Amino acid sequence: EVQLVESGGGLVQPGGSLRLSCAASGLSFSDHYIDWVRQAPGKGLEWLGRYGNIAKTDTTEYAPSVKGRFTISRDESTNSMYLQMNSLKSEDTAVYYCARWFTVAGAYWYFDLWGRGTLVTVSS
Amino acid sequence: DIQMTQSPSSLSASIGDRVTITCQASQDISNYLNWYQQKPGKAPKVLIYDASNLKTGVPSRFSGSGSGTHFTLTIASLQPEDIATYYCQQRDTLPLTFGGGTRVEIQ
Repeated sequence: EVQLVESGGGLVQPGGSLRLSCAASGLSFSDHYIDWVRQAPGKGLEWLGRYGNIAKTDTTEYAPSVKGRFTISRDESTNSMYLQMNSLKSEDTAVYYCARWFTVAGAYWYFDLWGRGTLVTVSS
Repeated sequence: DIQMTQSPSSLSASIGDRVTITCQASQDISNYLNWYQQKPGKAPKVLIYDASNLKTGVPSRFSGSGSGTHFTLTIASLQPEDIATYYCQQRDTLPLTFGGGTRVEIQ
């Protein structure tokens, strides 16, 4: 079964750091773009960033709201992706999803596969 | 960033009603607009991609239209399983941005 599974969420104090993981089964990160999206409690969806290794070229992109604080990386040996989050603030409290940015023959693009999400709570 | 504005933010309708949700982009995004459905406690699921293409397996009562800055998602005949929050999302320019969501409830 093709799936993404996030882990690593929990309670962290303001100013602290946390690393989230996204493990893939049934697919290789080398063939896809994988994005991170978060959702604050009762709020909408916010795109955070993307990792891709299409044609053997590493690509990372970030939303301006998290650029410089969040870093996306990949471990090819474990087929896992990571979201390193530093200088966390209360407004970073959210469910964090990893999702596959999927293309149909390079013409259409959409999120077709999501994990279940992992909850991050930033509070003292 | 491209701002996506959805309306209404919530609506209540009866089973069988036709429901229309609108999404407006702050600039021209051609037809690079996706629609997602999210049920409580679940991850979003794509319904429509590139404004009007129905994802395989999605019921045909869902349809999308629009281009440029104005888009609509229509549910032709609301069913109980359609109770969810719906989001539009532009893919024209990074950062990807989502609308604020429309919560659909049964009257």
